[in-house]
Amino acid sequence: GAVVSQHPSRVICKSGTSVKIECRSLDFQATTMFWYRQFPKQSLMLMATSNEGSKATYEQGVEKDKFLINHASLTLSTLTVTSAHPEDSSFYICSAPEYSSGNTIYFGEGSWLTVV
Amino acid sequence: GNSVTQMEGPVTLSEEAFLTINCTYTATGYPSLFWYVQYPGEGLQLLLKATKADDKGSNKGFEATYRKETTSFHLEKGSVQVSDSAVYFCALSEENQGGKLIFGQGTELSVKP
Repeated sequence: GAVVSQHPSRVICKSGTSVKIECRSLDFQATTMFWYRQFPKQSLMLMATSNEGSKATYEQGVEKDKFLINHASLTLSTLTVTSAHPEDSSFYICSAPEYSSGNTIYFGEGSWLTVV
Repeated sequence: GNSVTQMEGPVTLSEEAFLTINCTYTATGYPSLFWYVQYPGEGLQLLLKATKADDKGSNKGFEATYRKETTSFHLEKGSVQVSDSAVYFCALSEENQGGKLIFGQGTELSVKP
């Protein structure tokens, strides 16, 4: 079946550096992907909608210059956390709907980011 | 705006007990409704879904019925197992939103042997 894969699953970076997280649809084309953030023991909050070939749409309160999203192909979206700070430490997870299968929404495995 | 409200956890049950996790929603249109499960340290897995009123989603012994009149989608299981211990998220997706999900706050379930 369709799979969405995220990489890396865990990453530790130093404050001030940037880190990139990839989200790939492995056997279907995803013109749209979604990025969510989850703080410990909390729910998932939508950060942005990633659109292939165009700019991402960010939710209110999400800094687009800090969380750069690029959706350069039909199977890949990337989230780059720029100038990371400890408060950016979180669980980031992407999803992609597959419209040909009745709009089934597939999630990646998630990426744990720790900024030290 | 659209929202999802779940009962607060944690919920602690003994093995073979009956489970209900309440979920209600607010939506302007006709959303699809979902239950996702998150095991410790892992991502989200779709547990079940329902796309229209009176639909019943079911999987692995879990069931939920889309009740438009009460705007609810309560999750039930007749006999829980220790392996069901996880966090359960209720979510909705509005039609024409392209797969964007709005999640409830999650309910942690702990099943004791």
